[in-house]
Amino acid sequence: DAGITQSPRHKVTETGTPVTLRCHQTENHRYMYWYRQDPGHGLRLIHYSYGVKDTDKGEVSDGYSVSRSKTEDFLLTLESATSSQTSVYFCAIRGAGRGTDTQYFGPGTRLTVL
Amino acid sequence: AQSVSQHNHHVILSEAASLELGCNYSYGGTVNLFWYVQYPGQHLQLLLKYFSGDPLVKGIKGFEAEFIKSKFSFNLRKPSVQWSDTAEYFCAVNDDAGKSTFGDGTTLTVKP
Repeated sequence: DAGITQSPRHKVTETGTPVTLRCHQTENHRYMYWYRQDPGHGLRLIHYSYGVKDTDKGEVSDGYSVSRSKTEDFLLTLESATSSQTSVYFCAIRGAGRGTDTQYFGPGTRLTVL
Repeated sequence: AQSVSQHNHHVILSEAASLELGCNYSYGGTVNLFWYVQYPGQHLQLLLKYFSGDPLVKGIKGFEAEFIKSKFSFNLRKPSVQWSDTAEYFCAVNDDAGKSTFGDGTTLTVKP
């Protein structure tokens, strides 16, 4: 497995509280991604990063923010959690350069917002 | 914007049956194509990928996929499935900037 960890692995929180999920990699890969996975929707990109302090929005970015102050860490913050953000969140990484388009996924974080 | 369509939402097969899962994409530029598998309770793992060259790509565990550019398709096949192939399968396409779009997934159930 690629060296990707996510924390926490499970979290239950209440509506309106802020939540931060962490993705940590040991591969020194340039690109990092946050996805959410929901039944019937596959994986949908929330935000991604193409370098330290370089981030961009994905297709479902509303209500989420990200930060990347170091190559190895990519944080996803739910500014004020809502029940619609109950989901499984996956982080992914990939290298830069030709032939490195494969993404490697972390183990996921199951978030429940009550 | 690119999109990926997986036609089969749930496929049920008996062991030793042949498998074909459909995947069509829409994107005007050069694409890289992937199939990922997610076993129950686990994260996504790469099955196979196509970047260029031979349009018939072989992956792990006996899976293969054929890229047909004229049909914008990248269908996944396996000649004889096993109970352990029960999983969810995702087709994905990368655009020139490396952003990925995933299909909604196909759940495969293999009966022993």
